[in-house]
Amino acid sequence: NAGVTQTPKFQVLKTGQSMTLQCAQDMNHEYMSWYRQDPGMGLRLIHYSVGAGITDQGEVPNGYNVSRSTTEDFPLRLLSAAPSQTSVYFCASATSGVAGELFFGEGSRLTVL
Amino acid sequence: AQRVTQPEKLLSVFKGAPVELKCNYSYSGSPELFWYVQYSRQRLQLLLRHISRESIKGFTADLNKGETSFHLKKPFAQEEDSAMYYCALSTGGFKTIFGAGTRLFVKA
Repeated sequence: NAGVTQTPKFQVLKTGQSMTLQCAQDMNHEYMSWYRQDPGMGLRLIHYSVGAGITDQGEVPNGYNVSRSTTEDFPLRLLSAAPSQTSVYFCASATSGVAGELFFGEGSRLTVL
Repeated sequence: AQRVTQPEKLLSVFKGAPVELKCNYSYSGSPELFWYVQYSRQRLQLLLRHISRESIKGFTADLNKGETSFHLKKPFAQEEDSAMYYCALSTGGFKTIFGAGTRLFVKA
């Protein structure tokens, strides 16, 4: 079982470029989410999904798009990268039920120049 | 608005000393609270959840609804407890928000 897999692990972009961070889970979890981790600010929720075809905004959604066409995949798109999006991004998934535990990927470190 | 506050960015204690990592939350509903831990070069992982009322690696946390707190405690800190600790609040529908985190450093 791979759990939650994120690619790429590292990426450097120039301002204005676009890219997609990939996230896949093999645990058949309904819930998936994206966070960004910044020093002194902890993890902030970007977008989340409670099932295929359903997505919603988190705390800091601006500049990011998501889609959930399958249960397994939840890609995060940056359409026009900005230096403020330099961060470490984490994908997480959870199964249904009360107080579901979040399972995290290893993280993707993105630098926007 | 839902919010999780961890007032200490860094907590440094000696091995064998008690440790308490503070967490306060703001939520009008019935909260589900968690502590997550990130050890060096490892994935973020669940440490414990309030609904289970369990002790993991000697850590406990009690939900105090009156003070809206969920502090993490351990009577005798170990060097291997050095890590980043995040308090988290689930507001239903699986949406989970995190505090800013506290870095615990246990000195030999």
